Amino acid sequence: DTGVSQDPRHKITKRGQNVTFRCDPISEHNRLYWYRQTLGQGPEFLTYFQNEAQLEKSRLLSDRFSAERPKGSFSTLEIQRTEQGDSAMYLCASSPTSGRTTDTQYFGPGTRLTVL
Amino acid sequence: AQSVTQLDSHVSVSEGTPVLLRCNYSSSYSPSLFWYVQHPNKGLQLLLKYTSAATLVKGINGFEAEFKKSETSFHLTKPSAHMSDAAEYFCVVSDYGGSQGNLIFGKGTKLSVKP
Repeated sequence: DTGVSQDPRHKITKRGQNVTFRCDPISEHNRLYWYRQTLGQGPEFLTYFQNEAQLEKSRLLSDRFSAERPKGSFSTLEIQRTEQGDSAMYLCASSPTSGRTTDTQYFGPGTRLTVL
Repeated sequence: AQSVTQLDSHVSVSEGTPVLLRCNYSSSYSPSLFWYVQHPNKGLQLLLKYTSAATLVKGINGFEAEFKKSETSFHLTKPSAHMSDAAEYFCVVSDYGGSQGNLIFGKGTKLSVKP
């Protein structure tokens, strides 16, 4: 078990540019989640996949945001035409669909985005 | 709708004294409740979880929490604080009876530990 990994750990971009983040979940976990955490706040749910299917999206996920999990393994989160309000920590988590810990999400270290 | 309220944004204790971090929840279903800890520049780590078994839940690093349905509370405690406990703590509710994708976090309580 190598844990959830995210890449990059930090990203600085200029307003209007597109950015893409990657998340690799724990290998046997079918569920994958994206959250956003702004300074001084708790993480807020963005979206969730079971295998390759995107099953739920938050209203926080505007049209500029798109998430994919094409083969049911790693996932990408793309933000188009970034705005300064997008500056945040983007967290990925995964959980299994069987066993004793199906209700437990394991988090990666996050990608910190700064939009100048 | 599900929600959590962490009653203190910042708690400061001396090393060796007890820790109490307070959390109240609201849930339409029988909730799953969690406490996560976030150390600076590190990912969220699960401390403990309640999923309708024993109401007193023991977690890692000497932390425990008690589920009190009548008070809709899930307070986190530790008998004796250690310097390494200084971090941000999040109370979290999930309602897997409904949505399976949504953890709802409180705003966090920053714990400071004085020598």
